[in-house]
Amino acid sequence: EIVLTQSPGTLSLSPGERATLSCRASQGVRSSFLAWYQQKPGQAPRLLIYGASSRATGVPDRFSGSGSGTDFTLTINRLEPEDFAVYYCQQYAGSPTTFGQGTKVEIK
Amino acid sequence: EVQLVESGGGLIQPGGSLRLSCAASGFTVSDNYLSWVRQAPGKGLEWVSVIYRGGSTYYADAVKGRFTISRDSFENTLYLQMNSLTVEDTAVYYCARGHYFDWFLFNSWGQGTLVTVSS
Repeated sequence: EIVLTQSPGTLSLSPGERATLSCRASQGVRSSFLAWYQQKPGQAPRLLIYGASSRATGVPDRFSGSGSGTDFTLTINRLEPEDFAVYYCQQYAGSPTTFGQGTKVEIK
Repeated sequence: EVQLVESGGGLIQPGGSLRLSCAASGFTVSDNYLSWVRQAPGKGLEWVSVIYRGGSTYYADAVKGRFTISRDSFENTLYLQMNSLTVEDTAVYYCARGHYFDWFLFNSWGQGTLVTVSS
């Protein structure tokens, strides 16, 4: 099983700042089958990024993903008020699919 | 429009059983890869089970032998039968639709149903 470790656990930032979230895998993620989800309180997760760097339909271009192998990054440029949420990475290459423990982006 | 609506959650005693439902609209359940994903209170996401287009089913080790995933093509509904429940099964349970080519890339989610296992 591939273990995903996200850092930091919490990111305290102000609107307009840039957020950089990290996801590290315990072994290489085949073909960059790495996704990022956003979850707001009381809501289901929402797919943001797939294939490590492709934005899902309707996702603003301030969200970008990068990385390969074992190290992946989600960057949110110019944080908007609606971006404050918890973000999860997921690998969907290996069985079982696994998620990171999440990074909370909170308002400073 | 793709929509998934879960139901069937509630309070159940340890050792009890519960069946969750996920009513789908906007697509055909039997033509898709559908999973259950759960989230314990204040915790992260955990994949639970999947049913493939062809009908094959797979489970996380934590639920293997206790949970059964199934679908009803006529009702266009996904199910999760949960037996021998323990307090560790307490969570919000989401049904999620996998991408057509990447079966565990979840591009549609239901709103979730809360299962609380407690005496």
